[in-house]
Amino acid sequence: QKEVEQDPGPLSVPEGAIVSLNCTYSNSAFQYFMWYRQYSRKGPELLMYTYSSGNKEDGRFTAQVDKSSKYISLFIRDSQPSDSATYLCAMRVGGSNYQLIWGAGTKLIIKP
Amino acid sequence: DSGVTQTPKHLITATGQRVTLRCSPRSGDLSVYWYQQSLDQGLQFLIQYYNGEERAKGNILERFSAQQFPDLHSELNLSSLELGDSALYFCASTPQGERGGYTFGSGTRLTVV
Repeated sequence: QKEVEQDPGPLSVPEGAIVSLNCTYSNSAFQYFMWYRQYSRKGPELLMYTYSSGNKEDGRFTAQVDKSSKYISLFIRDSQPSDSATYLCAMRVGGSNYQLIWGAGTKLIIKP
Repeated sequence: DSGVTQTPKHLITATGQRVTLRCSPRSGDLSVYWYQQSLDQGLQFLIQYYNGEERAKGNILERFSAQQFPDLHSELNLSSLELGDSALYFCASTPQGERGGYTFGSGTRLTVV
């Protein structure tokens, strides 16, 4: 079993829909959680960075962490065709170990 | 522009050859990470350097090696290339204390023919 599980999709939704992307993990020591967006053949770009449990909002994006369920989510409101990309979750433990453990990425397609 | 510079952007070479990929981290960043991403695959961690010293190793083949120089740029050397080494190679950097996430470069696309 992988430490971080993420459905590879593709997930196809109409423009304007609310998108929910998710990852589950098995290591209860993870404390820092990130979402990256990767356009085709480009470098991943950090979207959201959260520490421990709770919600964080940035524009149309909301990141949610539920440590009791070992489950993280990224919500995209008013989705646009330009949001079409692969979304990767990543996480790490606290302390001096800065290695990120990555999900496989979910391919998202927003249909105009 | 993320501030992390990778060269070259594209590289086509033959099996058995050796290539060197270069990465310049963001100004002030001390850590450099190298990743491999094969077609439609996830990111595979290769190796990390911090301020010139190797800090962590992932699934890096013995044919691959890396180093980080005093000016903090890093090079990834790939030798005895095989067709299966064709992939995107990304470099990422993080600041001192490694707060926040990684900042990635735009990658080097390696094609082995």
